[in-house]
Amino acid sequence: KNEVEQSPQNLTAQEGEFITINCSYSVGISALHWLQQHPGGGIVSLFMLSSGKKKHGRLIATINIQEKHSSLHITASHPRDSAVYICAAVPIGGSNYKLTFGKGTLLTVNP
Amino acid sequence: EPEVTQTPSHQVTQMGQEVILRCVPISNHLYFYWYRQILGQKVEFLVSFYNNEISEKSEIFDDQFSVERPDGSNFTLKIRSTKLEDSAMYFCASSEGHRGAQQQFFGPGTRLTVL
Repeated sequence: KNEVEQSPQNLTAQEGEFITINCSYSVGISALHWLQQHPGGGIVSLFMLSSGKKKHGRLIATINIQEKHSSLHITASHPRDSAVYICAAVPIGGSNYKLTFGKGTLLTVNP
Repeated sequence: EPEVTQTPSHQVTQMGQEVILRCVPISNHLYFYWYRQILGQKVEFLVSFYNNEISEKSEIFDDQFSVERPDGSNFTLKIRSTKLEDSAMYFCASSEGHRGAQQQFFGPGTRLTVL
């Protein structure tokens, strides 16, 4: 059974700080998603990656498949980045690409 | 930009009643999913749907649940006899599904409250 673990569970930062959120998983995966969930509940897909690194604006996601670990970095954090960040894995072998989710990291960025 | 839409945004129902949650996936997508999130808990997979049939379902997706693609655009989740523990946020998602895992795009969710 694939477990997806995130750390930290809660993170408070000051505006401008560099943020790192970590995700580890227990079985082989074909891809990993990083998602953002705002207080209203909606989920936005940030990245899907299966190797290396992806960058979008101030967000950077990296993954090391062999070490079963991924990180999400936010540079120059801003209060509008406050949200729950969730990683979700696609286990190898499935034909339908269903996601197994972590519990999420609640990020609060203070001005 | 294309997006997944869901209706209603909030549904309140009495225990034992049937509810239908509706989703319109992105038009050229082939894989469709329902997930749910009980308040304060992590998001859980319910069911995936491809080529007009269920491709996988979780143990949560028992006989009270069903999915349907009644026409070329809608994708519905029916809960036949709602229970208090069905109260949750239900998310629909879709992906292109060509050649390996693709990015999944989520709808805004339907908050279901069972009284």
